[in-house]
Amino acid sequence: GAGVSQTPSNKVTEKGKYVELRCDPISGHTALYWYRQSLGQGPEFLIYFQGTGAADDSGLPNDRFFAVRPEGSVSTLKIQRTERGDSAVYLCASSLEGTSGSYEQYFGPGTRLTVT
Amino acid sequence: AQSVTQLDSQVPVFEEAPVELRCNYSSSVSVYLFWYVQYPNQGLQLLLKYLSGSTLVESINGFEAEFNKSQTSFHLRKPSVHISDTAEYFCAVSLKGAQKLVFGQGTRLTINP
Repeated sequence: GAGVSQTPSNKVTEKGKYVELRCDPISGHTALYWYRQSLGQGPEFLIYFQGTGAADDSGLPNDRFFAVRPEGSVSTLKIQRTERGDSAVYLCASSLEGTSGSYEQYFGPGTRLTVT
Repeated sequence: AQSVTQLDSQVPVFEEAPVELRCNYSSSVSVYLFWYVQYPNQGLQLLLKYLSGSTLVESINGFEAEFNKSQTSFHLRKPSVHISDTAEYFCAVSLKGAQKLVFGQGTRLTINP
């Protein structure tokens, strides 16, 4: 079946602009995660959804970052007033459920965001 | 809070040689442990995981990792590597009952012919 998909694959934006990154999880996966991977680093957790609600948003760096999952499937990560430090690869993952932590997270290919 | 340390950022080895990629974690509570692999131009894929039971876990392509609670380690090993194993390897932990993964910085494995 289809894996996790993310669009766009690449996004270049100017400092101060607003961007939206989209994630389509694997069908039937109730848990969805966003991570950010800076150059030379491992992925860093941003936010986790169980269904439609954000169960853990402790990784969001500040209030410029926001994510939604209105129907419990597709999710959008929104970044306002982008800064050059936001440049990174944004990864989305999904899993069958998230409450136990034991289910495999399947990752998408990522969106490479470059803020100029 | 838990953290993960991968001691080697790069590991070059010759083809058919053994390799060990080191991973240490810190956590005050029980954790699940994972190794993810990222092949060139591909997304992260789960290689193997330790949840409970036998402390030695294996992948389908010959890698193995051993959970050592006393040393808080989860080192990844393979007795004989192939060119196709060239990739970046990430160690990760999650708290039992939690959801998010905490990743190490990654180890780039380069196989020389």
